[in-house]
Order: sequence, then structure tokens, then C-alpha cells
Amino acid sequence: RKEVEQDPGPFNVPEGATVAFNCTYSNSASQSFFWYRQDCRKEPKLLMSVYSSGNEDGRFTAQLNRASQYISLLIRDSKLSDSATYLCVVNYLYGGSQGNLIFGKGTKLSVKP
Amino acid sequence: DGGITQSPKYLFRKEGQNVTLSCEQNLNHDAMYWYRQDPGQGLRLIYYSQIVNDFQKGDIAEGYSVSREKKESFPLTVTSAQKNPTAFYLCASSIGAGTGDYTEAFFGQGTRLTVV
Repeated sequence: RKEVEQDPGPFNVPEGATVAFNCTYSNSASQSFFWYRQDCRKEPKLLMSVYSSGNEDGRFTAQLNRASQYISLLIRDSKLSDSATYLCVVNYLYGGSQGNLIFGKGTKLSVKP
Repeated sequence: DGGITQSPKYLFRKEGQNVTLSCEQNLNHDAMYWYRQDPGQGLRLIYYSQIVNDFQKGDIAEGYSVSREKKESFPLTVTSAQKNPTAFYLCASSIGAGTGDYTEAFFGQGTRLTVV
């Protein structure tokens, strides 16, 4: 069975803080990796794909470590609007009863003034 | 504007009734998915389809049925056999399983189903 594990949090941080989330996956036969953001009572939205070399988009940095089977998301200079649940997603070539997109349960972030 | 549309946004069902949730996409995606999300919980896969006229059961398929007669459409029926159907239902699509890297999923806005 393929598993994607995340610390559920909540992570409570002050505005301006730097916060990092990790996500581990159990099956090495993985193709691609993503971070999604989900606001309360809304659908998940793609935050960023995770490239093997690591990638950055403004205040957000994602990294992949295939050898250790984890991905990370770093948020710098946290804003109140960053408060949400962050979902780690792993895409596998072949599905099964879980399908090919495996979602972690999410990490809740709360940024306080 | 390309996207994925779910309807209705809110749905109320009486116990013992079947109800069908609509999901339509105009992204030309091959793969489509249905997920269920309960309050404070993660996404659980109900059914998915990688191509027209084919679909596979997910982890929690019991009490649900789907069809995939057209590439654009993947309706979900919540049957009376589903004992606890009140939940947030999310439909998603992606280019296709196993078609290469970065095949991210795009979600509809969801349908909130309540049994009354």
C-alpha cells in the first residue's frame, strides 16, 4: 500500500515567521510530487509542483529528497493569508484502490498577528 | 475558460434516496476522480477513471456508482446503500495517469451533501 504521511499540526506561527513542513512517502515507484493548499470548506488548489532540483516561487520553496523519500515545503515571511491546510501529493505511475494520486491528510497552518 | 465544474454546490437528500452529483471538465483530461472529505479529515478516493468507458473502485466505493460515457463527464451516484453519505464531495481531473511528470489534478468547487 502506498502511504503519504504528514504532521497534522496545527502549526501556530506569528506573522513574518518561517515555517517548514515535511512529508514522507512509502513507495519509491513515484513519478511526481506536489503541494496543494486547501482553505476551510473549499477545494484543494495546486500551490506548486516539486522538482528534483528543488524549486522556489516567491516566499515558497519546495524540495525533494528521493533517497530519503520525503518532500518539504518552506514558507518564508508568513502572512495571515497563508493560514490553510497544506496537502502533500504523490503521483504514481500505476494506480490501484488508492488511484495514482496519493494525498496526505494535510498539515494545518495558522498564522497569527 | 477551461476548468472543472461540479453541481450542485449544496444538496440535501432524504434517507433512502439515490442522488447524482455532476462533474464536467473541458480541460481535455483523460483521468477523472471522485473524493470524499469528512470534517477535519483527508481526502478518500471513491472511484477514478483513466479513460472513457472504464473506471476503477477506490478505497471507499461501497454505496457509490459512477459512469464515464463521455470524456468530459464523470457523474457520481450516491445510493441508498451508502450508510453515512453526509460529506463534502470533490471531483478532480488530470491529464492522465502514467503520462509523464507533473500530472497534477485540478479540482471542482465541491458538492456538500447533507442527508436530512
